[in-house]
This record gives sequence, structure tokens and C-alpha cells, in this order.
Amino acid sequence: GENVEQHPSTLSVQEGDSAVIKCTYSDSASNYFPWYKQELGKRPQLIIDIRSNVGEKKDQRIAVTLNKTAKHFSLHITETQPEDSAVYFCAAMRPGNTGKLIFGQGTTLQVKP
Amino acid sequence: NAGVMQNPRHLVRRRGQEARLRCSPMKGHSHVYWYRQLPEEGLKFMVYLQKENIIDESGMPKERFSAEFPKEGPSILRIQQVVRGDSAAYFCASSRGNLAGGYTGELFFGEGSRLTVL
Repeated sequence: GENVEQHPSTLSVQEGDSAVIKCTYSDSASNYFPWYKQELGKRPQLIIDIRSNVGEKKDQRIAVTLNKTAKHFSLHITETQPEDSAVYFCAAMRPGNTGKLIFGQGTTLQVKP
Repeated sequence: NAGVMQNPRHLVRRRGQEARLRCSPMKGHSHVYWYRQLPEEGLKFMVYLQKENIIDESGMPKERFSAEFPKEGPSILRIQQVVRGDSAAYFCASSRGNLAGGYTGELFFGEGSRLTVL
């Protein structure tokens, strides 16, 4: 069935360093890949997304890359700050008449000041 | 714009009772999704609804769970005869368009309803 694997499960970096989170997906028909940030006890919030017709997208300190051939996509956060500390989820969705997102297991990012 | 509103935020039920969770989508949004998040896990899709229609319920357990999105009023996720394994955070999300249909907007999540079954 549809599956999204996310690594690492935890990531600790020093403030100012970069953080990279990687996801692989199983459904080659997937064409939409969002990333969500969830702070403790809060709702998931979209931070960036990419569609399959694009290989890379950047928004200030956040970038996402997509390799459709290898079926993996990555989140890159540069110049990390303590407020970046949260759980990050990747997700994938296939085209069709449903908005069903398949989420990865999450990565807990800790940015040490 | 008040965002996606969910209530109650916290709900405690004893085994065998019913849990009813409500979700009001953002103004102008007609697509509603329910996801379940077990402790320290990712979100699992449950059901996708539009007004008066269930579009995809492939993630819903076959028994005890039901969802509706009536013409008037909020979407309701109903869990009958709750068991301890139903304890989780239930998130509702809404979108203005169909994500799979090329809609490039955001899927907005509510703050979640945290169900604890004693």
C-alpha cells in the first residue's frame, strides 16, 4: 500500500547549523509533497510544499528538493534557530478526487542555542 | 477568519461511551478531512468529506466510527463504544479546493481534539 518513510526520527543541531530531513514514498503516482511543522500540543502547520513538476522550491531558510526517479524528497533548513525546534512531518498525495495525505512518521528537531 | 475550529479540545470518556467530535472548517472551505494521531506517531488519514457527501473513508475503522458533514453545521466524527485504543488526537483539516485536483492552496488543520479513554 501507500507508504512514506521519514528519517531521521530525531535530529539535534547547533543553532546556525543546517538540518536535513529525508523522506521516501512508495506510490510512484504521488504528485504533491507538503511538509508540516508541529509544535508540542499544537496543530500541524504547512511550511512548504512541492509538486512533481518542480525539482526544488525555496522559501527563505527553508527549501525542499524532489527526486521523482528515486521517489524521495528532502527538507533543508539553513541557519537554524531555537524556534525551529518542533516535529516535522513529510507527506505525499496521489492525484485523484481525494485529498488523502500519507504522512511520514515525523522527525523531532532540536536546535540547541 | 477564525481558522478551523474543533471542539471539544479535550474529551475524557470511559470505555463503552460515545465520543462526538466537531469541526467547523474555515470560512469558504467546503472540503473537510479527519486525521488521527496516536502518541508520538504521524497523522493517519481517516475520512474526506464534502457537504453531505463522504468522498473517501478508506482510513476509517470498519466498526464504531462514523463521520458526517451536513448541509448546515459542523462536521462530526462519532466514535461509539470507545475503547482505550481510541485514545488519540483527532485533527480536522479543511481546504478551499480539491488538493488532488490541482488546487495549490493549503490544507489548514485545527488544533485537534484529544480523546482520552479511561
